[in-house]
Amino acid sequence: KQEVTQIPAALSVPEGENLVLNCSFTDSAIYNLQWFRQDPGKGLTSLLLIQSSQREQTSGRLNASLDKSSGRSTLYIAASQPGDSATYLCAVNTGNQFYFGTGTSLTVIP
Amino acid sequence: EAGVVQSPRYKIIEKKQPVAFWCNPISGHNTLYWYLQNLGQGPELLIRYENEEAVDDSQLPKDRFSAERLKGVDSTLKIQPAELGDSAVYLCASSPYRGITNTGELFFGEGSRLTVL
Repeated sequence: KQEVTQIPAALSVPEGENLVLNCSFTDSAIYNLQWFRQDPGKGLTSLLLIQSSQREQTSGRLNASLDKSSGRSTLYIAASQPGDSATYLCAVNTGNQFYFGTGTSLTVIP
Repeated sequence: EAGVVQSPRYKIIEKKQPVAFWCNPISGHNTLYWYLQNLGQGPELLIRYENEEAVDDSQLPKDRFSAERLKGVDSTLKIQPAELGDSAVYLCASSPYRGITNTGELFFGEGSRLTVL
């Protein structure tokens, strides 16, 4: 069974700092990997989708990379802002199911 | 384009009472998922539909949970009777179908938060 791990579980950084969130998975047979943001009491908002054939995707200040062979993905957030405070989850898609990590809770301090 | 719509957003019930959640997926999305999310955890799959067919309900506690997706569009998830341990957020998601396996992007609704007293 696919297992997805996110480290660290919580992260606190001062505003303006660049940061990296990590996601690792045990089975490299995936179709894609998706990063989500979840605000308290809300659903998950899709941030970036990386297909298995891709190495990275960018959207604004966000850059996600994928190394399928090593079972790792990173989400890089540049010039962090207080509005980036949320929980970030990754999910790997095996074609029939999505497997989620438990998320990294990010706090950006003004 | 409208996103995934869920209702109600919040529901508080006494244990042993029934409860139902409704989901309207993004127009044109064949695949619909119901997930359960406990505090501090990632979503866990309850059931997946391809059109009106439940193709994966292995994680659905069938003694008290039921779901339907009539006409392959809207879906309802029901719990009867509810137990204290059912308190959680119930998330609906949809995805466009991409052939034999679903390789599409996943889109979530805002969720329905259930509190069982």
